[in-house]
Amino acid sequence: DVKVTQSSRYLVKRTGEKVFLECVQDMDHENMFWYRQDPGLGLRLIYFSYDVKMKEKGDIPEGYSVSREKKERFSLILESASTNQTSMYLCASSSHGREQYFGPGTRLTVT
Amino acid sequence: GENVEQHPSTLSVQEGDSAVIKCTYSDSASNYFPWYKQELGKRPQLIIDIRSNVGEKKDQRIAVTLNKTAKHFSLHITETQPEDSAVYFCAAQEGKGNYQLIWGAGTKLIIKP
Repeated sequence: DVKVTQSSRYLVKRTGEKVFLECVQDMDHENMFWYRQDPGLGLRLIYFSYDVKMKEKGDIPEGYSVSREKKERFSLILESASTNQTSMYLCASSSHGREQYFGPGTRLTVT
Repeated sequence: GENVEQHPSTLSVQEGDSAVIKCTYSDSASNYFPWYKQELGKRPQLIIDIRSNVGEKKDQRIAVTLNKTAKHFSLHITETQPEDSAVYFCAAQEGKGNYQLIWGAGTKLIIKP
């Protein structure tokens, strides 16, 4: 049974803080993804990674960076959090060409 | 860039009736089309998917049809039940080979008792 976990379910940060969101998967998947979900806007891809140390920008990478030092772990970094980054963040992983499995999500509030 | 359009954005049906959600895609190289269901407060989960070498796939009360020529695919739910209430997302896998999914905006399905 695939398990994707995220470091926090809820997070409250102040404007300007550096924020780390971590995602871990236990199925040896090559691909990992970070999405942002806002009401009425669906799932928007921030970054994805298809291998260790490899990353590609998604549709909305501005203000974010990522790190993938180990295959099972994919981190999303907000260098300087802003209020417009208040959102639900979802991590997902997949094996090539197959189903994406999602984590439970982190609801981030930036005040 | 490539995109997926999904309609309707909200669908309200009587319990027991059928529901149909439609998506069109732009990338003619796409060959994998999953459908995800997201219940309130939960993560999206795959409910059915189809690859471009088949035109229809069925799993109990849900079915997906694909028309590659017209570049559209649809989700059909028959005999709807209260637990079908959720947001449904369609997606098309990019044909570039990077396994990225292009997502529709979602359909909120409401089942009226």
